[in-house]
Amino acid sequence: GAGVSQSPSNKVTEKGKDVELRCDPISGHTALYWYRQRLGQGLEFLIYFQGNSAPDKSGLPSDRFSAERTGESVSTLTIQRTQQEDSAVYLCASSLFQASYEQYFGPGTRLTVT
Amino acid sequence: AQSVSQHNHHVILSEAASLELGCNYSYGGTVNLFWYVQYPGQHLQLLLKYFSGDPLVKGIKGFEAEFIKSKFSFNLRKPSVQWSDTAEYFCAVNIVNAGNNRKLIWGLGTSLAVNP
Repeated sequence: GAGVSQSPSNKVTEKGKDVELRCDPISGHTALYWYRQRLGQGLEFLIYFQGNSAPDKSGLPSDRFSAERTGESVSTLTIQRTQQEDSAVYLCASSLFQASYEQYFGPGTRLTVT
Repeated sequence: AQSVSQHNHHVILSEAASLELGCNYSYGGTVNLFWYVQYPGQHLQLLLKYFSGDPLVKGIKGFEAEFIKSKFSFNLRKPSVQWSDTAEYFCAVNIVNAGNNRKLIWGLGTSLAVNP
């Protein structure tokens, strides 16, 4: 079946603009994660959605970052007033139930803030 | 705070050499353990995982990892690497937090380059 998809694959934006990144998880996966991966660094957890539970937002670096998920489907990550340090690859992953299950990753969105 | 440490940031090996990548975590409770791999230009994918039972787990492509609870470690091994093993390797730990809301804690990754 289809894997996790993300759009856009690349996004170049000017400092101060808002951006919206989209993630389509695998159908039936109740858990969805957003990560940030800066060049040459590991995965930085941002936010985690699990079914109808309140999302775990503990990884969001500032109030400029927010994310929503519609039911158990599409999620959007929004970055307001982008800064150059926001430049990174933003990865989305989904899993069948929760973190103890294998996470399936999307290809990521490469964000460049100029 | 809980953390995962991968001691080797960059590893360079020749083909047929043996590989061991270290992973240690800081949490005293129940954990599930994972190694993920990211080949150049590809998505992150699961290499192997440990939930319970035999602490020596085998994954794809000849990789294995051993969970040593007393050492809080989950080192990745392969007896003979190939050029195609060149990739970024990430260790991750599933920890149950206060709200029973599990999430993965990730190491910073180890970049492995295998020379032909």
